[in-house]
Amino acid sequence: GNSVTQMEGPVTLSEEAFLTINCTYTATGYPSLFWYVQYPGEGLQLLLKATKADDKGSNKGFEATYRKETTSFHLEKGSVQVSDSAVYFCALSTSGSARQLTFGSGTQLTVLP
Amino acid sequence: KAGVTQTPRYLIKTRGQQVTLSCSPISGHRSVSWYQQTPGQGLQFLFEYFSETQRNKGNFPGRFSGRQFSNSRSEMNVSTLELGDSALYLCASSLDGTGSYEQYFGPGTRLTVT
Repeated sequence: GNSVTQMEGPVTLSEEAFLTINCTYTATGYPSLFWYVQYPGEGLQLLLKATKADDKGSNKGFEATYRKETTSFHLEKGSVQVSDSAVYFCALSTSGSARQLTFGSGTQLTVLP
Repeated sequence: KAGVTQTPRYLIKTRGQQVTLSCSPISGHRSVSWYQQTPGQGLQFLFEYFSETQRNKGNFPGRFSGRQFSNSRSEMNVSTLELGDSALYLCASSLDGTGSYEQYFGPGTRLTVT
């Protein structure tokens, strides 16, 4: 079956630090990959996505590259802000009838001023 | 364009009761999925509806059910509530068809079972 493994948290960084959150996956077929972010008391917001190998998804300074050879989709940001504090979820979906997202366990990020 | 809306936002029920949660998808979206989020199990897929038909179902007991109406709005029902059903229930909508199955989430309904 499909699974997503995320870097254990919580992660605490100072403002303007570099961020990496690791994500690896196991999937049948060719999955699409996503990063979602959840702010306190809210639902999930789609941050970025990639649908095929070597695609780079980017949004709001965050980036992730779909690496088929290492089955990874690590999230990076060059300079984090206090407002980036949230829980980040890596997720995948596969084509066909099984239209469901499989999520990682989430990584809590706290950015200190 | 309005986002996904869920009602109610908060709910407190007693063990043994039943509950119905509602979800209105983004206009034009025909697929609605439901997820349960708990601290212990994380985010788990419940089921997906498309054109009023359940197209996919996760590994949850039969107490969890849902339906979709002709306007794509969806409801999920949990009967005979257990303490372990306390969770944030998230609804997500997508255009469906071809593509990357990008899903957009609502704010969730926080269910507490006492």
